[in-house]
Amino acid sequence: GAVVSQHPSWVICKSGTSVKIECRSLDFQATTMFWYRQFPKQSLMLMATSNEGSKATYEQGVEKDKFLINHASLTLSTLTVTSAHPEDSSFYICSAQGPVNQPQHFGDGTRLSIL
Amino acid sequence: GQQVMQIPQYQHVQEGEDFTTYCNSSTTLSNIQWYKQRPGGHPVFLIQLVKSGEVKKQKRLTFQFGEAKKNSSLHITATQTTDVGTYFCAVNSGGSNYKLTFGKGTLLTVNP
Repeated sequence: GAVVSQHPSWVICKSGTSVKIECRSLDFQATTMFWYRQFPKQSLMLMATSNEGSKATYEQGVEKDKFLINHASLTLSTLTVTSAHPEDSSFYICSAQGPVNQPQHFGDGTRLSIL
Repeated sequence: GQQVMQIPQYQHVQEGEDFTTYCNSSTTLSNIQWYKQRPGGHPVFLIQLVKSGEVKKQKRLTFQFGEAKKNSSLHITATQTTDVGTYFCAVNSGGSNYKLTFGKGTLLTVNP
């Protein structure tokens, strides 16, 4: 159980393109979903926290207009990187949490490369 | 929010040797979680420790939570090549969303 699907797994696109990443909890209802960014050989950095039906809470330094998060249902959250530039290239990972204080379950991640 | 220091950053061992990674906090933690991330993969939840002095085992992995709930360790006995990856501890940052702050991780490589 506790499977989280993240799509796409790999994106290569031109500078200026907007990219949408989907995160779905397949076999449980996710009260909260989290979006992380990870640079090579570094730890996970939390970008934002989203709860179904409400606005996402962004971490300090993360531009909310740049990284649009929508949590439309208890099983789906999306992250849109708007007008992506090469510096946005990274590994983006989502996680989903059911009941509070339970472990987070991670998607496979999306490798985003902006040319 | 909560901060956690994790050491060492890297550890290279010969297959069969033991391995330990440590996490330390300056404040008392409500709980601590451990994750493993294989190269190119995503973090996979290993365990959560909640109680002071708690020790939990998963086959060759032993997890400990300090008596003061300020430190934790993950010990692997007789490492195998399948143990390769980065091991992260993670602590709740507080607030109602139970967001996690991850340690920097320890990258374990095993020489066969």
